[in-house]
Amino acid sequence: KAGVTQTPRYLIKTRGQQVTLSCSPISGHRSVSWYQQTPGQGLQFLFEYFSETQRNKGNFPGRFSGRQFSNSRSEMNVSTLELGDSALYLCASRRHTTDTQYFGPGTRLTVL
Amino acid sequence: AQSVTQLGSHVSVSEGALVLLRCNYSSSVPPYLFWYVQYPNQGLQLLLKYTTGATLVKGINGFEAEFKKSETSFHLTKPSAHMSDAAEYFCAVSDKNNDMRFGAGTRLTVKP
Repeated sequence: KAGVTQTPRYLIKTRGQQVTLSCSPISGHRSVSWYQQTPGQGLQFLFEYFSETQRNKGNFPGRFSGRQFSNSRSEMNVSTLELGDSALYLCASRRHTTDTQYFGPGTRLTVL
Repeated sequence: AQSVTQLGSHVSVSEGALVLLRCNYSSSVPPYLFWYVQYPNQGLQLLLKYTTGATLVKGINGFEAEFKKSETSFHLTKPSAHMSDAAEYFCAVSDKNNDMRFGAGTRLTVKP
């Protein structure tokens, strides 16, 4: 069974731009979570979607948003990029919200 | 609120030596506990998890962890380190709703 895939793997943007990251979960998994990983703040939870509904949200500004499609694929959008948004963005999927999460390889975003 | 504390941001061992990575948790409800490993430029891979039942949990790659409620600990061990074990290790805690919180991570270096 294929794992969680994330595209693109690497991305370079400039301040003020917006970016969209994509995550395809493991087949049969209906929950997708997003995390931001930085050297200073570590792994921080952004949000989780289950069956196209946002189930939970971390403490991030409204510039960070997401959505989930009927096929469980998820996208994350960051608007008006700031230098501090440079990070590894990880997506994780699970079958149900009580199952173990499986992570994708991440998208490395660099904001210049 | 749940949280985990990983003692030691960097641990260095010699090849063949015991690996011990420390994790203490805080949770107001019976916790689910996890250890994940992250290799450079990759996502997180689940090593092992504790939900209920046996307190000694065996994971992949020869790792194991013991849940000690009295000490609120979930330390990760491996009897003999291999060079390939060099990576960053994350302890995580979640409640029954599986809202996961990660520790800051411990970078393991294995010396030849």
